[in-house]
Amino acid sequence: AQSVTQPDIHITVSEGASLELRCNYSYGATPYLFWYVQSPGQGLQLLLKYFSGDTLVQGIKGFEAEFKRSQSSFNLRKPSVHWSDAAEYFCAVGAAIGSQGNLIFGKGTKLSVKP
Amino acid sequence: GAVVSQHPSWVICKSGTSVKIECRSLDFQATTMFWYRQFPKQSLMLMATSNEGSKATYEQGVEKDKFLINHASLTLSTLTVTSAHPEDSSFYICSAWGAVNEQFFGPGTRLTVL
Repeated sequence: AQSVTQPDIHITVSEGASLELRCNYSYGATPYLFWYVQSPGQGLQLLLKYFSGDTLVQGIKGFEAEFKRSQSSFNLRKPSVHWSDAAEYFCAVGAAIGSQGNLIFGKGTKLSVKP
Repeated sequence: GAVVSQHPSWVICKSGTSVKIECRSLDFQATTMFWYRQFPKQSLMLMATSNEGSKATYEQGVEKDKFLINHASLTLSTLTVTSAHPEDSSFYICSAWGAVNEQFFGPGTRLTVL
């Protein structure tokens, strides 16, 4: 079955500290992986995506993620968290681009940032 | 970047009434739009996929007669919740697929059925 698991429901980090949000997936075909951020009352904003090539992908707002096929993981990282990063983060897996396929989302990880 | 709007952002209705939610792609044409439902502290669950000019494709377990989807133009899709009940209360999010092969999400509509 296709699924996305985000093991951490809620994470709190201090401002300036590093961050890693975990994501594991189960997908029958070649996965196309995404990280989205959702602020209260806002839609989902794409942080980064992986389709192929370099397994370390850079995104917006200083985020990066690494695709590890052997571990079926696509963890999101940021070296220094800012207070404005507090939000809900969703990992998603989808079908090949161009197929306009739907996305399967994880349950999300809520990030809180301590001053 | 591409912008997707939803209207209304929040709606309260009485049980048994129908509610229409609009999803618009403001600066691009979207041949495909998706409707998701998000329960508190839960993930987004795909309800249906709509292609402009054709019938929507519903996910298993989603009642097509209850959740009516119309995608009449390349910039507008509507979701109508018919005969709403309290268990239909949820956060409904649409997304639009643009030419850049990326889904752009609307801000969501919170539906509360009394």
